[in-house]
Amino acid sequence: DAKTTQPPSMDCAEGRAANLPCNHSTISGNEYVYWYRQIHSQGPQYIIHGLKNNETNEMASLIITEDRKSSTLILPHATLRDTAVYYCIVRPTGGTSYGKLTFGQGTILTVHP
Amino acid sequence: GAVVSQHPSWVICKSGTSVKIECRSLDFQATTMFWYRQFPKQSLMLMATSNEGSKATYEQGVEKDKFLINHASLTLSTLTVTSAHPEDSSFYICSARQPREGTSPTYEQYFGPGTRLTVT
Repeated sequence: DAKTTQPPSMDCAEGRAANLPCNHSTISGNEYVYWYRQIHSQGPQYIIHGLKNNETNEMASLIITEDRKSSTLILPHATLRDTAVYYCIVRPTGGTSYGKLTFGQGTILTVHP
Repeated sequence: GAVVSQHPSWVICKSGTSVKIECRSLDFQATTMFWYRQFPKQSLMLMATSNEGSKATYEQGVEKDKFLINHASLTLSTLTVTSAHPEDSSFYICSARQPREGTSPTYEQYFGPGTRLTVT
């Protein structure tokens, strides 16, 4: 499975954009990049995913580099409720690990007033 | 997104007793569900993969006789912690795979809200 590397923590001011980086240099061609977040004492919440192209939805934008070795999750206007642990996951599409989501340590994002 | 529920949301039990946790996919059928465990200030660790109508597949180091998984229907998987001990106290989270036709990828995965187990 491709592993991911994320900074352990980041801070952001409320109303500003939060840019969360993720390194996945060993990603293979058919693996998706997924982002989930976990607010304290809750189950993970799906945010967004992508393969090659940049993606945007109502929650966030995902920017994937051309070589696919890294990506950035962008929360355009962070609020206090966005304070959470953000997980970047590379999801295998085949082999013995098919379908399994392997969680790393994630990035603790703290949004300040 | 699709909804996955868990019951109970929290439970306290005495050492040596068994506890059952339910995971339900509310608006879709899930042939595959996953069970995770999360200790304080740690990440989620996959315990097992639950397949409807067949035996669960356990990750290395997870005792299958201690953590019994039953996936008897397309919307329900249960995890039973048998002979619970204080070290089994943890946050247990399930997720369910929703098949998606005509899209790529061909499925999505949604998580339940988690069950806090405390063994005294």
